[in-house]
Amino acid sequence: QVQLQESGPGLVKPSETLSLTCTVSGGSISSYYWSWIRQSPGKGLEWIGYISYSGSTNYNPSLKSRVTIAADKSKNQFSLKLDSVTAADTAVYYCARAYSGYDYYRDWGQGTLVTVSS
Amino acid sequence: EIVLTQSPGTLSLSPGERATLSCRASQSVSSNYLAWYQQKPGQAPRLLIFGASSRATGIPDRFSGSGSGTDFTLTISRLEPEDFAVYYCQQHGSSPWTFGQGTKVEIK
Repeated sequence: QVQLQESGPGLVKPSETLSLTCTVSGGSISSYYWSWIRQSPGKGLEWIGYISYSGSTNYNPSLKSRVTIAADKSKNQFSLKLDSVTAADTAVYYCARAYSGYDYYRDWGQGTLVTVSS
Repeated sequence: EIVLTQSPGTLSLSPGERATLSCRASQSVSSNYLAWYQQKPGQAPRLLIFGASSRATGIPDRFSGSGSGTDFTLTISRLEPEDFAVYYCQQHGSSPWTFGQGTKVEIK
């Protein structure tokens, strides 16, 4: 059974970069597709993007100019960077696994709250 | 992008009653790439239904999904106490993948 665990700062200042890491256990990120999804009271659940086992990425156009998802296979981790954050980026951030590029999410991390505030 | 509209926003029912939740898409959802999730406070969403009508592993058969194209339904045949939660639909056939705003099933 794969397990995903998000980690990173819970507080980020406006205009700075939000950085999160998802550590995967019980499975290898050299297979499948690895995503970030966020949930805020104002916008509900929002898909941010994914990185595939081969390193290809797909981002939500609404965030594409500010998002980078990368993988570190040596650590079995993947990461999210979101630049130039504002209060609107305050949300619970989840990492999740899909079996293909066109797939639902059967495995999720527990989520981590990131607040953007000075 | 495909917008998913869920209705009603809140459903107030008693244990043992039947719940019918709707998810309507602004465009046809490719290959019925429509999933349903259950979320309880402080928890991540949990996959219930994929492919519009297939139950995920371990999901009780009181949960069923139906529909195609732009209209989808999640039915809970007899509500158990643990079923009171928020339910989301998601389409993953047209990028960007999108979620509905959720239906809260609360105890009446």
